[in-house]
Amino acid sequence: AQRVTQPEKLLSVFKGAPVELKCNYSYSGSPELFWYVQYSRQRLQLLLRHISRESIKGFTADLNKGETSFHLKKPFAQEEDSAMYYCALEGNGQNFVFGPGTRLSVLP
Amino acid sequence: KAGVTQTPRYLIKTRGQQVTLSCSPISGHRSVSWYQQTPGQGLQFLFEYFSETQRNKGNFPGRFSGRQFSNSRSEMNVSTLELGDSALYLCASSLGRTNEKLFFGSGTQLSVL
Repeated sequence: AQRVTQPEKLLSVFKGAPVELKCNYSYSGSPELFWYVQYSRQRLQLLLRHISRESIKGFTADLNKGETSFHLKKPFAQEEDSAMYYCALEGNGQNFVFGPGTRLSVLP
Repeated sequence: KAGVTQTPRYLIKTRGQQVTLSCSPISGHRSVSWYQQTPGQGLQFLFEYFSETQRNKGNFPGRFSGRQFSNSRSEMNVSTLELGDSALYLCASSLGRTNEKLFFGSGTQLSVL
């Protein structure tokens, strides 16, 4: 069965501190993984996907198949990073499974 | 390019009634998927349509159904509403290929009294 877990409901860090949002998954096949973000009063939107190996707004995520993890990291958090973050796994044919989400609060 | 449009924005219904929600995808997108979002359960996949065919279905009862029209617009129907159906219903569109990003609408907030 496909499953995505995000152990932290809320993560608070100070501006300039490093941040890591954890994501673990279970999937029998080769996973396609994503991070989606929802800023206050905005739509849910894609932040990054593992296949692109990109850095968006300073965030990166590495797929670790051994640990079945896809943690999201940023070395220096900014106040504008405060948002709800969802880790998602794409199963067979656009069947997305989302984690419960982590609310990141970056304090001044 | 217009984004994903969902109507209506808010709905209030009573138990036992039925409801139809509408989603207009981004032009050129052939895949439309629906999600239920609640504080307790988070985002849960309902179903996905591609070129008028249901391609994937989540674990929801048969009271939840959908369809997609030839212009890719999609509707979701919930019959015999229950209090637990109160949620934000999100629609997302994409080109429909693997690893394509989803573009989400603003959602329809359904309240069942």
